This record gives sequence, C-alpha cells and structure tokens, in this order.
Amino acid sequence: GAVVSQHPSRVICKSGTSVKIECRSLDFQATTMFWYRQFPKKSLMLMATSNEGSKATYEQGVEKDKFLINHASLTLSTLTVTSAHPEDSSFYICSARDPSSGGAGTDTQYFGPGTRLTVL
Amino acid sequence: AQKITQTQPGMFVQEKEAVTLDCTYDTSDPSYGLFWYKQPSSGEMIFLIYQGSYDQQNATEGRYSLNFQKARKSANLVISASQLGDSAMYFCAMREGYGNKLVFGAGTILRVKS
Repeated sequence: GAVVSQHPSRVICKSGTSVKIECRSLDFQATTMFWYRQFPKKSLMLMATSNEGSKATYEQGVEKDKFLINHASLTLSTLTVTSAHPEDSSFYICSARDPSSGGAGTDTQYFGPGTRLTVL
Repeated sequence: AQKITQTQPGMFVQEKEAVTLDCTYDTSDPSYGLFWYKQPSSGEMIFLIYQGSYDQQNATEGRYSLNFQKARKSANLVISASQLGDSAMYFCAMREGYGNKLVFGAGTILRVKS
C-alpha cells in the first residue's frame, strides 16, 4: 500500500506557541489529504480536507484560524496549531488517497503514523 | 443519526480462534465504500480491507474477510486464526460517494488471550 509519513511523531510545547505538523505522501502524489484528531480511546474526528493548491475545507466546529492547513505540493500538507493551549493536546493523524493506484486502492485512505501533541 | 455503528466496545478471543467484529452502517447513497482499520497501541492506522457497495463478492485479505450483507447494511470483519499481535483497536469506516471523507465508528478493542 501507499506510504504516508508524519513529522514530528511527538511534540511537547509551551502554551501560546505554534506547532507545525507535516504530512507527506512518500511514493505517490496526493491531491487530497485529510487531517484528523483523536482523543484517548476515542474514534477519529475529521478536522479538515486539505486540497493541493486551494483552501482547505474545514469541518463544522473546527476553527480555521486555530488550525492552519497548507497543501503546497502534491506530496506535502502541513497543519499548524497556532497559539496552542493545553486543550489542544491530542493525537493528530493525517491520511491521503493514491488516485493512481487503481481499483479499490484509489478509494482507500492511507494514514500517517500520527503526531502526539502535548501542550504544557 | 450514527452513520457507522460498532456495538462492541471490547471483545476477547482465544488465540487461534476466529472472531467477528460487528459494523452496521446507514446511507442512502448507492455508491459507498466500507473500510476496516486496525490501530495498535502505537497509534498508527493500518488499512485492513475494503468493500465497495457494488462488489458482488465479500472482500478477503489473508486472515481478514468482510461479511458484507447489503440488505442488512452490515459489514462485519472476520479475523480467522487470531494471533496475539491482533490485539488492537479496530475501526469500521464508510465513504459515501467517491473521494469523499471517511466516517468512522466508535471502534472495538480486541484482546487476544494466549
């Protein structure tokens, strides 16, 4: 299957700072990437859909000024948590589809390993 | 209304036995996809199996099979010959239409006993 990487895997920061998380598709080009947030022992909550070359589409209730998404190339999307606070502490995970894979693979989202953010 | 329902918060299975994880879905879109993902304690989401709404046969991938009952709107995951490494959280997810976002169920924690 397609490989998606995320960096960093873990970050601890002070309240008020901004944190950038990178999501890369390593062996394919992804016009669309997805950003999720997950609380402990809970399901994944979609935050936004990241579209290459255009603005991200945010889900209802997600602050677009708080969670800045940039999809500057076909292999990279970034999520910046601005002025992070302790309530932003969570597991953030991205995914991407490989539109060139054909068949069921075209429809399948492949996930990065996730980033655990802790805001002190 | 819940689009994906996983009614089993936790399951235990004896090593080498088969286990079925339940998933029901709700959609009026004739074109949809159903997915199962495994999330071990490390947090990564591992794709297991996919079933398209127009697929005539149940999907299989090694020890994983998807029991797709379209009329009942269920897509249960069957894991055969359970292994200790199968212990993880399992999520059922649905995509409505093509290329759209995934909606996830609440998940089922599976524990394999030796």
